[in-house]
Amino acid sequence: DGGITQSPKYLFRKEGQNVTLSCEQNLNHDAMYWYRQDPGQGLRLIYYSQIVNDFQKGDIAEGYSVSREKKESFPLTVTSAQKNPTAFYLCASGGGTHSYEQYFGPGTRLTVT
Amino acid sequence: GNSVTQMEGPVTLSEEAFLTINCTYTATGYPSLFWYVQYPGEGLQLLLKATKADDKGSNKGFEATYRKETTSFHLEKGSVQVSDSAVYFCALIRYSGGYQKVTFGIGTKLQVIP
Repeated sequence: DGGITQSPKYLFRKEGQNVTLSCEQNLNHDAMYWYRQDPGQGLRLIYYSQIVNDFQKGDIAEGYSVSREKKESFPLTVTSAQKNPTAFYLCASGGGTHSYEQYFGPGTRLTVT
Repeated sequence: GNSVTQMEGPVTLSEEAFLTINCTYTATGYPSLFWYVQYPGEGLQLLLKATKADDKGSNKGFEATYRKETTSFHLEKGSVQVSDSAVYFCALIRYSGGYQKVTFGIGTKLQVIP
């Protein structure tokens, strides 16, 4: 089955620690995205990548970093510089020019205490 | 810039009631419009879409029509079920600068009671 996987489902970290969230897709999509979801605020774009070895900042990139070494993978690191990291993180992918839908993974809920 | 305005929830309905969730948008050009649904603790699933004016998207009894004259894409269902309880997001997607730029509404929580 084609789709997007995110792991883990739940993640707990102490303040001051960096943490990496995994996102893998087997849809052969060029573009991948990371969103953050907070109650009452909808989804906000953190980073996106159109092709391997290239990525761009979204609307709220501060305190986050990404890499895109393989087409299938787009991990997100939440650094200690992120002031309020507790949130639900969603990864998505899209086919680019010929496909308008974005397909979403199941999400990772990160709790930092 | 682009924006999507959704009615704020929560919306509480009895089973078999008629559902309308309003969505209006502001965008340059001709965006594609989408409704996504999110069940508790899960990611977003595409519910339906429309890519040009007057298109009607439909799926699982839900419908929405792309109205360019009123810049709206209201979601409707004739008879809701308890299993429809979820959060619904209206979104527009434009292809800009080489990538898909998605603008989401804040989401409307629907609760259907038996």
